This record gives sequence, structure tokens and C-alpha cells, in this order.
Amino acid sequence: AQKVTQAQTEISVVEKEDVTLDCVYETRDTTYYLFWYKQPPSGELVFLIRRNSFDEQNEISGRYSWNFQKSTSSFNFTITASQVVDSAVYFCALSDPSLYNFNKFYFGSGTKLNVKP
Amino acid sequence: EAQVTQNPRYLITVTGKKLTVTCSQNMNHEYMSWYRQDPGLGLRQIYYSMNVEVTDKGDVPEGYKVSRKEKRNFPLILESPSPNQTSLYFCASSLGVAGVTDTQYFGPGTRLTVL
Repeated sequence: AQKVTQAQTEISVVEKEDVTLDCVYETRDTTYYLFWYKQPPSGELVFLIRRNSFDEQNEISGRYSWNFQKSTSSFNFTITASQVVDSAVYFCALSDPSLYNFNKFYFGSGTKLNVKP
Repeated sequence: EAQVTQNPRYLITVTGKKLTVTCSQNMNHEYMSWYRQDPGLGLRQIYYSMNVEVTDKGDVPEGYKVSRKEKRNFPLILESPSPNQTSLYFCASSLGVAGVTDTQYFGPGTRLTVL
């Protein structure tokens, strides 16, 4: 069965520290997609990244970077030089589409990041 | 502006009183979905729709109904709400291509309280 585990319920850091949010997933499919979303205190869900299972390259976008490792079924998210505006709940999600059942999504329970000034 | 809209944003109701939460998107997306968010559980998929008149159950469909009569709209219906359906609800949409998962765009959320 598909599953996403975000073992870190809450993390607190001081501004400018680096922080890594862990995401471990389970799926039996070879084709799947992984996502990260940010939910700031205002409540909306903001898309951060989408990665398919055939692309294991790590990605960097400004202060954000993602480390995808199929060998350990992990898709970790690192924020470098954290800022107060990074304070939010971050969700990792998995989708393993097929021609007949595409786009069913599985979200992790989320990690709340508190960045203190 | 490309967006997913939900109404109402906040709703307080009583047990057993039927309600509908509307969802509309203006991006001509094929795929739409409903989620509920509860503390410690993340988002859980309720129902999703691949196209007009095509819907399927997510992980937590009990107590909910949906319909997809038009491409842009995907209302969530609670025929007889109960307190355990108190939650934050999100609607989402994406392009919807078979065999590919596109990025989902989420509505602003509807906070429902059932007394």
C-alpha cells in the first residue's frame, strides 16, 4: 500500500540555520510522482516541487533543495539559511498514476517548521 | 487569474443538516479532487474526478458525495453531517493526463464545524 511518512512532527530552528525535512515513501509502482507543499499560517497550500520517479537528480531552487534517493525511498527537503518567513507546515505527497487510476494522492502528516528570529 | 475557488470559506452547522461546499476552477482542468485536513493526519483524499461524470473514491469517502456535471465545478455534498466531519476541506485541480500526475492547484480551504 502507498504511504508517506514524515516522522518529524515539529522542528524549531533559529534564523539562518539550515534545516532538513524528511520524507519517506512506500509504493510498489515503478512510476510515481513526489511533491512538496508549503502551508503558511494563513492556511493556503503552496506548491513547491514535483518530481517523477525516473528523475533522481537533486534540485536546487534558491535556498531550497531536494534530495531524491530511490534506494532509501526518501525525498528530503532542505532549507538553507532559514528565514522567519519559512515558518509553515510542510507536506510531502506521493501519487502513483496508472492509465485507469491516475492521480490518487497520499500525503504525509506534515512537519511544522518554526523559525525563530 | 488562474484559480480554484471554494465557497463558503467558513461554515458552522448542526448535525444532520445537509450542506454543499462548492468548488470551481477556471483553468479548464480535467482532474479535480477533494481533501480533508485534520491535525496529525495531513491531507486525506475524499473523492476525485478525472472528467465530467467520472468520479472515484479516495481514502475517506464515507459520509460524502460528489458530482461532476460540468468540467469547472466539483461540489462536495454532506447529506447528513456529523461532528466527526468537522475539518478543513480543500479542493484541488490539475490538468489530468492518464498515466501522469500533474501539479495540483489548491483552493483556499473551507473550515467546517459540525455541532
